[in-house]
Amino acid sequence: TQLLEQSPQFLSIQEGENLTVYCNSSSVFSSLQWYRQEPGEGPVLLVTVVTGGEVKKLKRLTFQFGDARKDSSLHITAAQPGDTGLYLCAGHYSGAGSYQLTFGKGTKLSVIP
Amino acid sequence: DAGVTQSPTHLIKTRGQQVTLRCSPKSGHDTVSWYQQALGQGPQFIFQYYEEEERQRGNFPDRFSGHQFPNYSSELNVNALLLGDSALYLCASSLTGLQQYFGPGTRLTVT
Repeated sequence: TQLLEQSPQFLSIQEGENLTVYCNSSSVFSSLQWYRQEPGEGPVLLVTVVTGGEVKKLKRLTFQFGDARKDSSLHITAAQPGDTGLYLCAGHYSGAGSYQLTFGKGTKLSVIP
Repeated sequence: DAGVTQSPTHLIKTRGQQVTLRCSPKSGHDTVSWYQQALGQGPQFIFQYYEEEERQRGNFPDRFSGHQFPNYSSELNVNALLLGDSALYLCASSLTGLQQYFGPGTRLTVT
Protein backbone atom coordinates (compact mmCIF):
# COMPACT_ATOMS: atom_id res chain seq x y z
CA THR A 1 0.00 0.00 0.00
CA GLN A 2 1.44 3.36 -1.01
CA LEU A 3 1.12 6.05 1.63
CA LEU A 4 1.28 9.77 1.11
CA GLU A 5 1.92 11.82 4.23
CA GLN A 6 1.16 15.50 4.67
CA SER A 7 2.41 17.78 7.40
CA PRO A 8 1.42 19.62 9.39
CA GLN A 9 -2.12 18.31 9.80
CA PHE A 10 -3.35 21.62 11.22
CA LEU A 11 -1.94 25.13 10.85
CA SER A 12 -3.27 28.35 12.34
CA ILE A 13 -1.43 31.55 11.45
CA GLN A 14 -1.90 35.30 11.45
CA GLU A 15 -2.64 37.21 8.27
CA GLY A 16 0.60 38.25 6.55
CA GLU A 17 2.69 35.32 7.77
CA ASN A 18 4.38 32.79 5.49
CA LEU A 19 3.86 29.03 5.68
CA THR A 20 4.99 25.80 4.07
CA VAL A 21 3.08 22.53 3.77
CA TYR A 22 4.85 19.25 3.01
CA CYS A 23 3.86 16.10 1.14
CA ASN A 24 6.04 12.97 1.32
CA SER A 25 6.01 9.42 0.06
CA SER A 26 8.43 6.48 0.01
CA SER A 27 7.46 5.78 -3.62
CA VAL A 28 8.07 7.75 -6.79
CA PHE A 29 5.26 9.82 -8.27
CA SER A 30 4.73 10.05 -12.00
CA SER A 31 2.82 13.26 -11.32
CA LEU A 32 1.52 15.15 -8.31
CA GLN A 33 -1.36 17.55 -7.86
CA TRP A 34 -2.23 20.07 -5.17
CA TYR A 35 -5.87 20.80 -4.43
CA ARG A 36 -7.70 23.20 -2.12
CA GLN A 37 -11.04 22.16 -0.63
CA GLU A 38 -13.69 24.19 1.17
CA PRO A 39 -16.03 22.46 3.66
CA GLY A 40 -18.75 20.44 1.91
CA GLU A 41 -17.33 21.10 -1.55
CA GLY A 42 -15.15 19.22 -4.00
CA PRO A 43 -11.38 19.77 -4.23
CA VAL A 44 -10.26 22.48 -6.66
CA LEU A 45 -7.12 21.77 -8.66
CA LEU A 46 -4.34 24.30 -8.02
CA VAL A 47 -1.37 22.83 -9.87
CA THR A 48 0.07 19.70 -11.47
CA VAL A 49 3.81 18.95 -11.34
CA VAL A 50 5.47 16.26 -13.40
CA THR A 51 9.23 16.90 -13.63
CA GLY A 52 11.62 16.37 -10.70
CA GLY A 53 12.85 19.71 -9.38
CA GLU A 54 9.99 21.57 -11.02
CA VAL A 55 8.84 24.84 -9.42
CA LYS A 56 5.51 26.45 -10.27
CA LYS A 57 4.06 29.72 -8.99
CA LEU A 58 0.44 30.71 -8.70
CA LYS A 59 0.28 34.28 -7.37
CA ARG A 60 1.43 33.98 -3.72
CA LEU A 61 1.62 30.16 -3.86
CA THR A 62 4.85 28.38 -4.82
CA PHE A 63 4.84 24.64 -5.50
CA GLN A 64 7.99 22.55 -5.65
CA PHE A 65 8.43 18.94 -6.74
CA GLY A 66 11.39 17.09 -5.25
CA ASP A 67 14.27 16.03 -7.47
CA ALA A 68 13.53 12.36 -6.81
CA ARG A 69 9.78 12.91 -7.34
CA LYS A 70 8.97 11.49 -3.88
CA ASP A 71 8.06 14.75 -2.16
CA SER A 72 6.54 18.16 -2.75
CA SER A 73 5.96 21.39 -0.89
CA LEU A 74 3.52 24.27 -1.04
CA HIS A 75 4.70 27.66 0.21
CA ILE A 76 2.28 30.54 0.75
CA THR A 77 3.68 34.05 1.08
CA ALA A 78 1.82 36.69 3.09
CA ALA A 79 -1.18 34.48 3.84
CA GLN A 80 -4.64 36.04 3.67
CA PRO A 81 -7.94 34.94 5.27
CA GLY A 82 -9.10 33.83 1.80
CA ASP A 83 -6.36 31.18 1.84
CA THR A 84 -8.19 29.35 4.62
CA GLY A 85 -9.12 25.81 3.62
CA LEU A 86 -7.98 22.20 3.38
CA TYR A 87 -4.91 21.72 1.19
CA LEU A 88 -4.57 18.25 -0.29
CA CYS A 89 -1.72 16.74 -2.21
CA ALA A 90 -2.46 13.78 -4.47
CA GLY A 91 -0.18 11.71 -6.62
CA HIS A 92 -0.16 9.23 -9.43
CA TYR A 93 2.42 6.59 -8.67
CA SER A 94 4.75 5.27 -11.35
CA GLY A 95 3.83 1.88 -12.74
CA ALA A 96 1.36 0.23 -15.06
CA GLY A 97 -2.29 0.80 -14.27
CA SER A 98 -1.67 3.67 -11.89
CA TYR A 99 -4.71 5.68 -12.90
CA GLN A 100 -5.86 6.40 -9.38
CA LEU A 101 -4.96 9.49 -7.41
CA THR A 102 -3.67 8.72 -3.93
CA PHE A 103 -4.45 11.53 -1.52
CA GLY A 104 -2.88 12.63 1.72
CA LYS A 105 -5.10 13.47 4.68
CA GLY A 106 -4.62 17.16 4.03
CA THR A 107 -3.45 20.23 5.90
CA LYS A 108 -6.21 22.32 7.42
CA LEU A 109 -5.12 25.97 7.23
CA SER A 110 -6.73 28.79 9.17
CA VAL A 111 -5.56 32.34 8.51
CA ILE A 112 -6.66 34.71 11.25
CA PRO A 113 -7.32 38.32 10.26
CA ASP B 1 -18.29 25.61 -20.11
CA ALA B 2 -19.94 23.52 -17.39
CA GLY B 3 -17.67 21.80 -14.95
CA VAL B 4 -18.27 18.43 -13.34
CA THR B 5 -21.81 18.12 -12.00
CA GLN B 6 -23.15 15.62 -9.49
CA SER B 7 -26.60 14.72 -8.26
CA PRO B 8 -28.15 14.65 -5.79
CA THR B 9 -26.42 17.12 -3.49
CA HIS B 10 -27.52 15.41 -0.31
CA LEU B 11 -29.07 12.02 0.38
CA ILE B 12 -30.27 10.24 3.51
CA LYS B 13 -30.69 6.46 3.41
CA THR B 14 -31.33 3.67 5.88
CA ARG B 15 -28.97 0.75 6.55
CA GLY B 16 -29.49 -2.05 4.04
CA GLN B 17 -30.88 0.17 1.32
CA GLN B 18 -29.33 0.81 -2.06
CA VAL B 19 -28.28 4.18 -3.53
CA THR B 20 -27.36 5.53 -6.97
CA LEU B 21 -25.26 8.66 -7.42
CA ARG B 22 -24.82 10.42 -10.76
CA CYS B 23 -22.02 12.39 -12.39
CA SER B 24 -21.67 14.36 -15.62
CA PRO B 25 -18.06 15.03 -16.62
CA LYS B 26 -16.56 18.31 -17.72
CA SER B 27 -17.10 18.99 -21.41
CA GLY B 28 -14.48 17.21 -23.51
CA HIS B 29 -13.51 14.73 -20.79
CA ASP B 30 -13.89 10.99 -21.33
CA THR B 31 -12.72 9.48 -18.03
CA VAL B 32 -14.62 9.45 -14.76
CA SER B 33 -13.28 8.49 -11.34
CA TRP B 34 -15.17 8.11 -8.08
CA TYR B 35 -13.82 8.83 -4.60
CA GLN B 36 -15.15 8.48 -1.07
CA GLN B 37 -14.17 11.12 1.48
CA ALA B 38 -14.91 10.43 5.12
CA LEU B 39 -14.98 13.34 7.56
CA GLY B 40 -11.48 14.60 8.29
CA GLN B 41 -9.84 12.37 5.70
CA GLY B 42 -8.52 12.74 2.18
CA PRO B 43 -10.53 11.23 -0.69
CA GLN B 44 -10.14 7.47 -1.23
CA PHE B 45 -10.21 6.09 -4.77
CA ILE B 46 -13.15 3.77 -5.51
CA PHE B 47 -12.79 3.13 -9.25
CA GLN B 48 -12.25 4.73 -12.66
CA TYR B 49 -14.27 4.33 -15.84
CA TYR B 50 -12.96 4.80 -19.36
CA GLU B 51 -14.65 3.74 -22.59
CA GLU B 52 -17.56 2.38 -20.55
CA GLU B 53 -15.32 -0.10 -18.76
CA GLU B 54 -13.94 -0.15 -15.21
CA ARG B 55 -10.25 0.53 -15.79
CA GLN B 56 -8.97 0.41 -12.23
CA ARG B 57 -10.48 -0.28 -8.82
CA GLY B 58 -9.44 0.72 -5.35
CA ASN B 59 -9.84 -1.26 -2.14
CA PHE B 60 -13.64 -1.20 -1.94
CA PRO B 61 -16.02 -4.19 -1.66
CA ASP B 62 -18.22 -5.44 -4.47
CA ARG B 63 -21.16 -3.59 -2.90
CA PHE B 64 -19.74 -0.60 -4.76
CA SER B 65 -20.36 -0.78 -8.49
CA GLY B 66 -20.52 1.67 -11.32
CA HIS B 67 -21.38 2.33 -14.89
CA GLN B 68 -20.32 4.72 -17.62
CA PHE B 69 -22.65 5.66 -20.44
CA PRO B 70 -21.81 6.45 -24.09
CA ASN B 71 -22.05 10.18 -23.33
CA TYR B 72 -19.32 9.64 -20.66
CA SER B 73 -21.62 10.31 -17.72
CA SER B 74 -21.39 7.85 -14.88
CA GLU B 75 -23.26 6.30 -11.97
CA LEU B 76 -22.04 4.94 -8.66
CA ASN B 77 -24.22 2.30 -7.01
CA VAL B 78 -23.84 1.14 -3.44
CA ASN B 79 -25.83 -1.86 -2.20
CA ALA B 80 -26.61 -3.00 1.33
CA LEU B 81 -25.65 0.34 2.85
CA LEU B 82 -23.71 0.38 6.12
CA LEU B 83 -23.39 3.22 8.61
CA GLY B 84 -19.73 3.44 7.61
CA ASP B 85 -20.71 4.33 4.05
CA SER B 86 -21.71 7.80 5.25
CA ALA B 87 -19.34 10.16 3.46
CA LEU B 88 -18.91 12.76 0.75
CA TYR B 89 -18.80 10.99 -2.62
CA LEU B 90 -16.77 12.81 -5.21
CA CYS B 91 -16.69 12.38 -8.95
CA ALA B 92 -13.70 13.56 -10.97
CA SER B 93 -13.31 13.77 -14.72
CA SER B 94 -10.25 13.98 -16.93
CA LEU B 95 -9.16 13.62 -20.52
CA THR B 96 -5.87 11.83 -20.06
CA GLY B 97 -6.41 10.63 -16.50
CA LEU B 98 -3.66 12.98 -15.35
CA GLN B 99 -5.37 16.18 -14.28
CA GLN B 100 -8.60 15.29 -12.53
CA TYR B 101 -11.29 17.90 -11.97
CA PHE B 102 -13.75 17.29 -9.17
CA GLY B 103 -17.43 17.92 -8.84
CA PRO B 104 -19.06 19.38 -5.71
CA GLY B 105 -19.83 15.93 -4.31
CA THR B 106 -22.86 14.12 -2.93
CA ARG B 107 -23.20 13.99 0.85
CA LEU B 108 -24.59 10.56 1.78
CA THR B 109 -25.87 9.95 5.29
CA VAL B 110 -26.78 6.41 6.31
CA THR B 111 -28.96 6.08 9.43
